[in-house]
Amino acid sequence: GAGVSQSPSNKVTEKGKDVELRCDPISGHTALYWYRQRLGQGLEFLIYFQGNSAPDKSGLPSDRFSAERTGESVSTLTIQRTQQEDSAVYLCASSLWTEWGTQYFGPGTRLLVL
Amino acid sequence: RKEVEQDPGPFNVPEGATVAFNCTYSNSASQSFFWYRQDCRKEPKLLMSVYSSGNEDGRFTAQLNRASQYISLLIRDSKLSDSATYLCVVNFGNEKLTFGTGTRLTIIP
Repeated sequence: GAGVSQSPSNKVTEKGKDVELRCDPISGHTALYWYRQRLGQGLEFLIYFQGNSAPDKSGLPSDRFSAERTGESVSTLTIQRTQQEDSAVYLCASSLWTEWGTQYFGPGTRLLVL
Repeated sequence: RKEVEQDPGPFNVPEGATVAFNCTYSNSASQSFFWYRQDCRKEPKLLMSVYSSGNEDGRFTAQLNRASQYISLLIRDSKLSDSATYLCVVNFGNEKLTFGTGTRLTIIP
C-alpha cells in the first residue's frame, strides 16, 4: 500500500521567507510525527499529533515553527522567516496509535535556506 | 548527558564478520526499545524491536540489559547490504521516541 509521502522533496528558499512542508501519512494512522535532521546529525523530535491534536509541542525550536493537522490525515509544518540554521531534512512519520514504536517515515523534505 | 548515546563509528567490517554495537540510555524508567536503520540520504526504517528477553531476527540479535541501561545489536555473517547507520531508539514512557545519533557501519568486500 501507499507509504508516507512528503512534499516538496526539495526546497530552496531565501532567508526571511516562509515555507510550508506537507506530510501525507499512511491511511488509518492516527499518530503523526515531525522530526528534523541536520546534515550528519541525529533525528531531532519537533512535534507529534494524536489525531488532530498536538499534545507535545516542546520540540519546536522557536515560535517561527508551527504545525497543524486536519482530518486526522494531512499535516503541514510551517517555518516563518526562515533562517540559515533551519536548513535540514524534515522527516515526517506516522504510526498506529497503539504501535507508536513502529513509525513509518516519509522520504523527507530537504530544505536549504540561502 | 544525552538521553540516548551511541558510538558514532564508523565501524569498517569485512564481509562475513560479526559486529556488535551498544547503546546506553539515561532513564531507568525507559519502557521500550528499538533499532532503526538509515541508509545514506534515506529515511529511517524499523529494523527490530528489543524485548527484555532478547530477540533474534535472522542474522540480527538484539539484547536489553536494564540493570546497566544498555541495549545491543549483533549482526552475524555481515553482508554488503548491511552497510548503513544503525539508530538506537528509546521510549521514555511518553508518546514519542528518542533517537540516538546512530552508529555508522560499512561492510568491506
